[in-house]
Amino acid sequence: AQSVTQLDSQVPVFEEAPVELRCNYSSSVSVYLFWYVQYPNQGLQLLLKYLSGSTLVKGINGFEAEFNKSQTSFHLRKPSVHISDTAEYFCAVGNAGGTSYGKLTFGQGTILTVHP
Amino acid sequence: SQTIHQWPATLVQPVGSPLSLECTVEGTSNPNLYWYRQAAGRGLQLLFYSVGIGQISSEVPQNLSASRPQDRQFILSSKKLLLSDSGFYLCAWNPGFTDTQYFGPGTRLTVL
Repeated sequence: AQSVTQLDSQVPVFEEAPVELRCNYSSSVSVYLFWYVQYPNQGLQLLLKYLSGSTLVKGINGFEAEFNKSQTSFHLRKPSVHISDTAEYFCAVGNAGGTSYGKLTFGQGTILTVHP
Repeated sequence: SQTIHQWPATLVQPVGSPLSLECTVEGTSNPNLYWYRQAAGRGLQLLFYSVGIGQISSEVPQNLSASRPQDRQFILSSKKLLLSDSGFYLCAWNPGFTDTQYFGPGTRLTVL
C-alpha cells in the first residue's frame, strides 16, 4: 500500500517570498510523483510530475520539486510567490510498476495563502 | 487535444432522492476513468475506476454506484442520497496505466 503525507495543512507567506510545501510518501515499489493545484471550486491542474530521470523537476508557474528517494520526499518549491498562487496544493503518488491501473494516492492537501 | 466535461456543475438534492452525475472525455480512446469525492477540508477519496466499457472497480463501499456505458462516458449514480454524500465530485482520466491523471471541472453536490 502507498501513502502520502503533506506535512503542513496551511502555509501562509508574503508575496515575493520563497515557499516550500512538503510531501513525504511511503511505498514498497517504485513510484511516480505528482503535484496538483486546485483553485476554489475548480478541478485539479497538474503542476509537475516525476516519472524518471532527473530528480529536479520543473513545472508550470515557476514551481519545481525535487525527488529524494532516500528521504522518500517530493517537496514543492517556488523562489518568489505571487498573490495568484493562493490555492490548495496536492501531492500524489502512483505505482510505477504498472499494476495499479493508473490509480493515484493523494495527500490531504496544503492550503497556500499569499499575503500582500 | 483532449478535454473532459462534467455536468451538472452544481446540484442541490433532498435526502432520499436519486443522483446521476456524468463525465465525458473527448479526443482520446479507451481512457482509464476515475471518480473522486472531495469532502470539505479533506483530501481526495477515490470512489470508482474503470479500465474499459462495463468494467467498474469500487474502492470504497458506499451508497454510490458507477457505470461506463460508452468508452468515454462515466456516470456516478445513487438511488437514495444521504447527507454524507455532499461534497465536490471530480472525474479524471488517464491515457495509460502509468501516466498522469487529468481532472474535470467538478460537480458540487449539496444534499439537504
